[in-house]
Formats: sequence, structure tokens, C-alpha cells
Amino acid sequence: GAVVSQHPSRVICKSGTSVKIECRSLDFQATTMFWYRQFPKQSLMLMATSNEGSKATYEQGVEKDKFLINHASLTLSTLTVTSAHPEDSSFYICSARVQGLETEAFFGQGTRLTVV
Amino acid sequence: QKEVEQDPGPLSVPEGAIVSLNCTYSNSAFQYFMWYRQYSRKGPELLMYTYSSGNKEDGRFTAQVDKSSKYISLFIRDSQPSDSATYLCAMSGNTDKLIFGTGTRLQVFP
Repeated sequence: GAVVSQHPSRVICKSGTSVKIECRSLDFQATTMFWYRQFPKQSLMLMATSNEGSKATYEQGVEKDKFLINHASLTLSTLTVTSAHPEDSSFYICSARVQGLETEAFFGQGTRLTVV
Repeated sequence: QKEVEQDPGPLSVPEGAIVSLNCTYSNSAFQYFMWYRQYSRKGPELLMYTYSSGNKEDGRFTAQVDKSSKYISLFIRDSQPSDSATYLCAMSGNTDKLIFGTGTRLQVFP
């Protein structure tokens, strides 16, 4: 299947700092990428849909100024957690669909963020 | 009512058993159905992808979709301890968004 690479896999940062997470589609072009957050033993919560060359679409309740998403190319989307707080500690996962509605979605390995 | 319902388990079975995992959904527009396996602290891994109704088999895994009943299943034959993970169903219809079930935790004991 297609490969989605997410980096870093784990990051620890101090409260008040910003953290950038990268999501790359390695062998296909993804006009749309998705960012999820997952709490322990819970399912994935969609945070936002990242569209190449345009603004991201955020789900209700997700602060767009706190979770900055940039999708500058067809193979790269980034999520920046700004002014991180301990409550932002979570598992963040990106995914991409190869193209259109009729194809599978592939996921990155996830990033475990710990804010201390 | 959630759009996608999935029993969270945990489901505990002996090695070699046939495992049946299920999801029900309410949105008749869903037509793309996926099953993912997620190990602890890892991203979900796509296992099966099915379009519309029918069956699909891949090795020990069989996915079934019954759109008339709004019910999908994943069967795992000859289950192995390495199959122990959380299994997530996901589906989509007229938009790019995937709607996930809550996931079922499966434990296969030797």
C-alpha cells in the first residue's frame, strides 16, 4: 500500500513552546490530508482537513490559531501546535487518501506529544 | 446516535479461533468501507478496503459489507497472538472524511 511518513514519532516540549509535526506522502500525491488526535483507548478524533494550496478546514471545537496547518505541496502537510500546554499532550496522527473519494486512506505512524 | 457503532470489547479468544468484528452505521450514503488494525502507540494500518456491498478476502482476513442492513464485518481466521490489537472500522460517502468506529480491542491468547 501507499506510504505516509510522519515525523517526529515522539516529542517532549516545554509548556509555552511550539511544536511542528510533518506528514509526507512518500509515493503518491495527496491533495487532501487529515489530522487526527487520539486519546488513550479512544478512537481517532478528526481535527482538520488539510487541502493543498488552500486553508485547512477545522472541525468544530478545534482552535485553528492553536493548531496551525500548512499544506504547501502535494506531498507535505504540517501541523504546528502553538504555545503548547500539558492538556495538548496526546497522540497526533495524519492520513492521506491517494486521490478522490473512492480510494483508501493511509496513516502515518503517529506522533506522541508530551508537554511538560 | 453515533454514525458508526462498534463494540469496544475487549474481545479475548484463544489462538486459532475465528474472530468476528462488526460495525453498524446509520448513514445510507456510506459506500467506501475500511478496516484498520492499530497496535498500541502506532498509527492505524489498513487491512481491508471494500466498495459497496459484497465480500473481499485477503489471506486470513475477510471483509463483508451488507448495505441493506448497514452492517459490516471483518473475519479473522486462524487467529494468532500477533493479531492482538485494536481494530477500527471506517467509512465514507460523498466527502473525503472518514468516519471511524470506536475500535474493538482484540486479545488472542496462546
